[in-house]
Amino acid sequence: SAVISQKPSRDICQRGTSLTIQCQVDSQVTMMFWYRQQPGQSLTLIATANQGSEATYESGFVIDKFPISRPNLTFSTLTVSNMSPEDSSIYLCSAKTDSGANVLTFGAGSRLTVL
Amino acid sequence: AQSVSQHNHHVILSEAASLELGCNYSYGGTVNLFWYVQYPGQHLQLLLKYFSGDPLVKGIKGFEAEFIKSKFSFNLRKPSVQWSDTAEYFCAVTHSSGNTPLVFGKGTRLSVIA
Repeated sequence: SAVISQKPSRDICQRGTSLTIQCQVDSQVTMMFWYRQQPGQSLTLIATANQGSEATYESGFVIDKFPISRPNLTFSTLTVSNMSPEDSSIYLCSAKTDSGANVLTFGAGSRLTVL
Repeated sequence: AQSVSQHNHHVILSEAASLELGCNYSYGGTVNLFWYVQYPGQHLQLLLKYFSGDPLVKGIKGFEAEFIKSKFSFNLRKPSVQWSDTAEYFCAVTHSSGNTPLVFGKGTRLSVIA
């Protein structure tokens, strides 16, 4: 299956700042997904990013806080805006990389700590 | 809305013990079911999946899971665990159409001791 690369792998950020996470897939994919994994919690879907259209956000997540770009079929970014300590989490990028299969492949995640 | 319940937060087993991790889901349609594993410091990886057919599915590293539709369950099993199975295990469900998000359970941490 395809490989998904994320950067940064980890970062320590100051309250009130914003950070953009990049996600690169080594093949073209239609749908990319951004998940959050808070300490001791499961993975929660933030949004689905389709190329050529606006991202679709899940309940509890808004574009102003988590703007997403999807400029082409292999790349996406997630920005965590105006961060607070509650945003400390692992953010994971994923995609369905096997044609016709309903299986997600995940990147290694970006661990953000907000002070 | 879809939901997934994993019954055990943390399981501690000795090597060679048998493993069963519970997973129940709440969803009214035709589902695809997954177990993902996250070894310490590594990516989430697919362990096994159920789409249709034989409800007993086999995955990598000797793991298997059984889909029991009447119980809305998809429990993960391994007859004899190894120290290297120490990891976090996540059950997940989505509609078989692929048009709904993948919903995860809270995960079960497995610690295998020598």
